[in-house]
Amino acid sequence: AQKVTQAQTEISVVEKEDVTLDCVYETRDTTYYLFWYKQPPSGELVFLIRRNSFDEQNEISGRYSWNFQKSTSSFNFTITASQVVDSAVYFCALSEGGSSNTGKLIFGQGTTLQVKP
Amino acid sequence: GAVVSQHPSWVICKSGTSVKIECRSLDFQATTMFWYRQFPKQSLMLMATSNEGSKATYEQGVEKDKFLINHASLTLSTLTVTSAHPEDSSFYICSARDLRLRPTQYFGPGTRLLVL
Repeated sequence: AQKVTQAQTEISVVEKEDVTLDCVYETRDTTYYLFWYKQPPSGELVFLIRRNSFDEQNEISGRYSWNFQKSTSSFNFTITASQVVDSAVYFCALSEGGSSNTGKLIFGQGTTLQVKP
Repeated sequence: GAVVSQHPSWVICKSGTSVKIECRSLDFQATTMFWYRQFPKQSLMLMATSNEGSKATYEQGVEKDKFLINHASLTLSTLTVTSAHPEDSSFYICSARDLRLRPTQYFGPGTRLLVL
């Protein structure tokens, strides 16, 4: 069965601190996709990144970086020099790949990040 | 690119009435649309998957007669909550994707439903 675990329910940091959000996944599929979404207080989910199972290259986008390690089934997300605007709920999600995939997303429980000024 | 809109953003209705929520992909064609429900401080719960021109596939435990989903075109899906009751009050979110392009789901801004 597919499963995504975000063990950190809430994280509180002070502005300019670095913070890492953990995500561990389980799947039997050899082809799959991993995602991170941000949900600010307004409620809309904002797509941040997609990673394919066959691409373990880490990614950096501005203050955001992602570390994908198949050996530990983890896809962690780091925000460098956090800002108040980063305060939101962050969801990690998994979907199966392959030609017959339904596209369903399996979401983690989410991590609420609070960045204090 | 990849913008999804939802309408209305807020709706308050009396118990027993039906409510329709629209989900539109504005700048791409959505081969598949998804409907989610989210309770406060919880994760998203998938309700159903709809492919353009075919019947929606509902998740276990979701009443198809209560939550009617129509995906009549490649840019529009609707969710109708029939005979709404207070327990149907929730945050409903749709997402859309074009599998021909990429497997990413793009989400609408959500609709907050309050049934009195």
